[in-house]
Amino acid sequence: SQQGEEDPQALSIQEGENATMNCSYKTSINNLQWYRQNSGRGLVHLILIRSNEREKHSGRLRVTLDTSKKSSSLLITASRAADTASYFCATEETSGSRLTFGEGTQLTVNP
Amino acid sequence: NAGVTQTPKFQVLKTGQSMTLQCAQDMNHNSMYWYRQDPGMGLRLIYYSASEGTTDKGEVPNGYNVSRLNKREFSLRLESAAPSQTSVYFCASMPSPSSYEQYFGPGTRLTVT
Repeated sequence: SQQGEEDPQALSIQEGENATMNCSYKTSINNLQWYRQNSGRGLVHLILIRSNEREKHSGRLRVTLDTSKKSSSLLITASRAADTASYFCATEETSGSRLTFGEGTQLTVNP
Repeated sequence: NAGVTQTPKFQVLKTGQSMTLQCAQDMNHNSMYWYRQDPGMGLRLIYYSASEGTTDKGEVPNGYNVSRLNKREFSLRLESAAPSQTSVYFCASMPSPSSYEQYFGPGTRLTVT
C-alpha cells in the first residue's frame, strides 16, 4: 500500500500564482523527498528534507515537514507554464534502503 | 555521463512471452531499483538491490525476477507476461541505501496483449 497520500489529486492555476501540494504519510521516516514527472518522462528529484528539519528552500520551492502530524507541503511560488507536471512525495522509512511514493498531484499552470 | 539508461523504450508482448528489461547507470551508485507505474498512480517498488550482490523484494514482486549483474547493471525479467503487467517500468539508482535522492531512467512502456 502507498505510504504517502497527496492532496489535491489535481490542481489548476494561472501563471504567476503559487501552488501548494500536501503529502501525508503513516510511519516514522528518515527523510521525505519531492519529485517531478513531466508527461511521458522519468522522475526528477526536486528537494529532500530530513526528519530533523522543519523547512527547506530551493529556488522557487519551499518544503515544510511536520513529523508530529506526519505531513509535508510543497509550495511553488510564482508558477510558470513550464511547472506543469505531476509532483510526487516519497518517504524513506527508518528501516532505510527504499522509498515509498505517493500517488501524486497533477499540476497544470495556465499561461 | 549518461546517467540511468533503460532498454527498450517500448515493447509489446503476447501473454506468456518472456522478456528482460535492461538498466545501467554510470554514476558508480551502489543501490538500484525497479518500479512500475500504472496510469494515474505513483510508483510501486518491484525489486531493489541495496548493493552489488544483493537483491530484495519490494511491494509488488510477483511475476518478476531480477539480476544485479555488476555494479552498473540491474535487469528485470518477466518469465511469463500477463496483461496485468502492462505498465511503465522505471529503473532508478542511488549513491547508497539511505538518505540520498534517486536518479531515474526514462522508462520502458510495456504492453501485454
